Amino acid sequence: SQQGEEDPQALSIQEGENATMNCSYKTSINNLQWYRQNSGRGLVHLILIRSNEREKHSGRLRVTLDTSKKSSSLLITASRAADTASYFCAMLINTGGFKTIFGAGTRLFVKA
Amino acid sequence: EAQVTQNPRYLITVTGKKLTVTCSQNMNHEYMSWYRQDPGLGLRQIYYSMNVEVTDKGDVPEGYKVSRKEKRNFPLILESPSPNQTSLYFCASSTLSGGSYNEQFFGPGTRLTVL
Repeated sequence: SQQGEEDPQALSIQEGENATMNCSYKTSINNLQWYRQNSGRGLVHLILIRSNEREKHSGRLRVTLDTSKKSSSLLITASRAADTASYFCAMLINTGGFKTIFGAGTRLFVKA
Repeated sequence: EAQVTQNPRYLITVTGKKLTVTCSQNMNHEYMSWYRQDPGLGLRQIYYSMNVEVTDKGDVPEGYKVSRKEKRNFPLILESPSPNQTSLYFCASSTLSGGSYNEQFFGPGTRLTVL
């Protein structure tokens, strides 16, 4: 399977703390995207980082990409109860076409 | 409103009864894709399409068919559904930019149960 890997599988923190999720993959990528999903609903895009970028910010989100280690991390600062959700990384891979490979996800629970 | 729509949202069927799940987007996106989501496995890509009449297999295409006759529509067809195709299905679309595809917009999902 080409599925990406995420860790931790689950994370429980207090409101106000930072949450870090990691994603690793096996092949060269075109870009890497992070998504959020609430309870089996549709995924919502958070941030996209291209293979030639190393870091991107969006509000309380910070994403890093290390293509030499084939890994990415998503940092949510000053977490809130409303951040409770599952977070997925997705890699766009050029195979002649463009396949998308998702990680298995990290379930984040933020306690108020 | 820019959106991806899927129908039906919920479907219970029996083994072997052909079904189609429709997907439509109103954003003129080139890239469309179908995923299935199963507990503990994240999303797995079934098929994708980079434009009209251009489709390709994802990681789990067995038992599924797709077509892309119009840019806005990308139906998923299960010719002979089996219980192992019970899952939550998502359609998504994306636009082309700078030789690559951007973030994907997801539909609300179709929960399929095959008895």
